[in-house]
Amino acid sequence: SQELEQSPQSLIVQEGKNLTINCTSSKTLYGLYWYKQKYGEGLIFLMMLQKGGEEKSHEKITAKLDEKKQQSSLHITASQPSHAGIYLCGADGGNAGNMLTFGGGTRLMVKP
Amino acid sequence: KAGVTQTPRYLIKTRGQQVTLSCSPISGHRSVSWYQQTPGQGLQFLFEYFSETQRNKGNFPGRFSGRQFSNSRSEMNVSTLELGDSALYLCASRRMTGYNTEAFFGQGTRLTVV
Repeated sequence: SQELEQSPQSLIVQEGKNLTINCTSSKTLYGLYWYKQKYGEGLIFLMMLQKGGEEKSHEKITAKLDEKKQQSSLHITASQPSHAGIYLCGADGGNAGNMLTFGGGTRLMVKP
Repeated sequence: KAGVTQTPRYLIKTRGQQVTLSCSPISGHRSVSWYQQTPGQGLQFLFEYFSETQRNKGNFPGRFSGRQFSNSRSEMNVSTLELGDSALYLCASRRMTGYNTEAFFGQGTRLTVV
């Protein structure tokens, strides 16, 4: 079965600083999803990446899927307190059906 | 466009009882998946329904079941509740089944079993 490992597990940054979260898969990624979650709430869809080398941006958040399609990174530029939360990467198994496997999450705190 | 709606948001049940959770997907989406989130196990896939048929099932006991209606709304049922069933239950809505389609989640139902 596919496993996703996220690093770091937690991160505390000063407001205005840049940061990167990594997601590494044990198998080839067919589709990679990034979500943000506030504690105890639902997942907010950020981006979906499909092709090796693909890069997408939304406001100050950029995500990239590497050429070999086994790792993705999420980069936040000039972090703000509103970026705080748990970031989760999820991956399609490539099989029929709709199962997503998720990483353990990265807890981000942004100090004002 | 309305998002994914899960009801109820919070639920407290006693061991041995059963519970039904509801999920209304985004209009036009036909796939609904259910996930359990706990601090120890993280997010785990329960099952997926597409066009009223279960397409895929995770590694959960038979006490966990679900169904999907013709309007794509889905319900999840847990019978004979155990303390370990306390979790945040999330449903995801997708336009189609299969991979590489965006998956949108609801706010979740927080189930507490006492």
